[in-house]
Amino acid sequence: QTVVTQEPSFSVSPGGTVTLTCGLSSGSVSTDYYPSWYQQSPGQPPRTLIYNTNTRSSGVPDRFSGSILGNKAALIITGAQADDESDYYCVLYMGNYMLFGGGTRLTVL
Amino acid sequence: EVQLVESGGGLVQPGESLRLSCAASGFTFSSYWMHWVRQVPGKGLVWVSRMNSDGSRTSHADSVKGRFTISRDNAKNTLYLQMKSLRAEDTAVYYCARGSGWYSFDHWGQGTLVTVSS
Repeated sequence: QTVVTQEPSFSVSPGGTVTLTCGLSSGSVSTDYYPSWYQQSPGQPPRTLIYNTNTRSSGVPDRFSGSILGNKAALIITGAQADDESDYYCVLYMGNYMLFGGGTRLTVL
Repeated sequence: EVQLVESGGGLVQPGESLRLSCAASGFTFSSYWMHWVRQVPGKGLVWVSRMNSDGSRTSHADSVKGRFTISRDNAKNTLYLQMKSLRAEDTAVYYCARGSGWYSFDHWGQGTLVTVSS
């Protein structure tokens, strides 16, 4: 059974840069999987950040960016701010279904 | 402004059925793929089902296949999720999400809580 892997947790200092990754238990993530990224704060619905690997959703600041790094999709946050402290999920398009990663809890401190 | 408003959640007993609705406004509903995504409180997001814009194509996660059915009424701008034979493990907040293409989501509703318990 295919699993999408994400770091369970990550920490970044205010103003710092952090790279969150999204991999596959077997194989490499490529643009063919149309990786997308979502931010979720406690008690809130998800918010779309990035779709189709590197396209920012409307209203998302340009300090959020997406790419493929090696064999994984990546969400890069530059100039981290306190309100970036959230859960981040990636999703991969698997053809007949879509698969979420387990999420990364990002702490800004 | 795009709005997605889910309804129909509640407390049901194992084995019972429930139908969720998602009322859409602020965009041309009939032009978009739509999805259901669920989240057990305190846990991660899980994709459930999707339907293409005209309702001719659907797919469901293996965990709900044969029990859940996604449908839509483009005349009423509403997405549905019919859930049968509910189990305790179906307890979750159910979100509807507008598709961005067929491969991602761009707008989300606030969610509706389904609790399956005796």
